[in-house]
Amino acid sequence: AQTVTQSQPEMSVQEAETVTLSCTYDTSESDYYLFWYKQPPSRQMILVIRQEAYKQQNATENRFSVNFQKAAKSFSLKISDSQLGDAAMYFCAYRSLDPGGGADGLTFGKGTHLIIQP
Amino acid sequence: ETGVTQTPRHLVMGMTNKKSLKCEQHLGHNAMYWYKQSAKKPLELMFVYSLEERVENNSVPSRFSPECPNSSHLFLHLHTLQPEDSALYLCASSQEIAGWVSYNEQFFGPGTRLTVL
Repeated sequence: AQTVTQSQPEMSVQEAETVTLSCTYDTSESDYYLFWYKQPPSRQMILVIRQEAYKQQNATENRFSVNFQKAAKSFSLKISDSQLGDAAMYFCAYRSLDPGGGADGLTFGKGTHLIIQP
Repeated sequence: ETGVTQTPRHLVMGMTNKKSLKCEQHLGHNAMYWYKQSAKKPLELMFVYSLEERVENNSVPSRFSPECPNSSHLFLHLHTLQPEDSALYLCASSQEIAGWVSYNEQFFGPGTRLTVL
């Protein structure tokens, strides 16, 4: 079974600065998907960014980028130019790639609470 | 309504009650999920339905009973719950390709905050 570890329960950053959230995972699979989800105080979870394990290039979405280190099983999220609206819980998630599996759920980490200081 | 909706948003029930949580997705997806979110624990996958058939039951106690009458609706029937079942229950949906695990994201609802007394 796969596990996802987020070692930072809480992080704080000044508005406009850059912050990096850590995520490591444990798997014996070679192909999989990784995601970062954001859960604002309103509780609706939304996707921030995703990465396919077979792709070496790190995914980027505007101010959000990842540092994917497959050998180290590390998948950190960098948020540049932090904004007040970035304050939320951030969850790292893993999805197994099973050709015959069809639909499958996500394995989540415990989350990192990100605080933005004005 | 757009996206994934869940009702009720808050529910308080006694241990002997029977209640149901409802989820509806307006995205035309073919897979739906129930997750449990407890304080200081990772989100736990409870049930997966793909094309209205249950494909995974993550060893969830029988006091939780899912129902998926069609691809747009998902229910979670609750009976004789325990106080430790108090949590936020999240529903999600995605579009899956038969026989393949897709890259497609799961869209989440706002959740139902359940308190068991």
